Amino acid sequence: EVRLLESGGDLVQPGGSLRLSCAASGFTFSGYGMSWVRQAPGKGLEWVSSLSSSGDMTYYADSVKGRFTISRDNSKNTLYLQMSSLRAEDTALYYCANLFNNRFDHWGQGTLVTVSS
Amino acid sequence: DIGLTQSPGTLSMSPGERATLSCRASRSLSSSYLAWYQQRPGQAPRLLMYDAFSRATGIPDRFSGSGSGTDFTLTISRLEPEDFAVYYCQNYGRSQWTFGQGTKVEIK
Repeated sequence: EVRLLESGGDLVQPGGSLRLSCAASGFTFSGYGMSWVRQAPGKGLEWVSSLSSSGDMTYYADSVKGRFTISRDNSKNTLYLQMSSLRAEDTALYYCANLFNNRFDHWGQGTLVTVSS
Repeated sequence: DIGLTQSPGTLSMSPGERATLSCRASRSLSSSYLAWYQQRPGQAPRLLMYDAFSRATGIPDRFSGSGSGTDFTLTISRLEPEDFAVYYCQNYGRSQWTFGQGTKVEIK
């Protein structure tokens, strides 16, 4: 069974930083691209970032480019999202998902990031 | 970037009825990159359909997808209580992934 478990969400002040993690199991992690998708309270889904199975290719939504960094450690089956210069509009539930043929095949339950003073 | 517009925003239906959800793209896209997701209240999204027409693993056959070019449709032939949820379409193109704004299927 595929399992994706996000962690690291917290309350952080505007301008602050946070690192999210996503622990994967039940599939060959190193064989899949991975992504982060977020959902602001009461809103729809917004793609944030993706990276290739090896981690050498990364992609970002314009709204986070230059502030967020996606990475992975295939030896630990873990995906990361380093977030900096956080803004109120980054407040959301952040999901990790594995990518297969550019669709989001499996999703975690999400971790909540709240940016507020 | 391709924009995806879903309609209607909300669909009020009764169990057993047929539901038709629309996803319109701002320009023609490859059906290979059109997916649908279901999000039940308080839950994470889950993949329903991919490549516009193919059901994901474990998805019942009352769900079907159709369309091409700029117009795509998700049909639920007979609504079950667990189908009342929000549905999103999603596209990939030019290293960007895009979601529609969602259609909520609510109990009438």
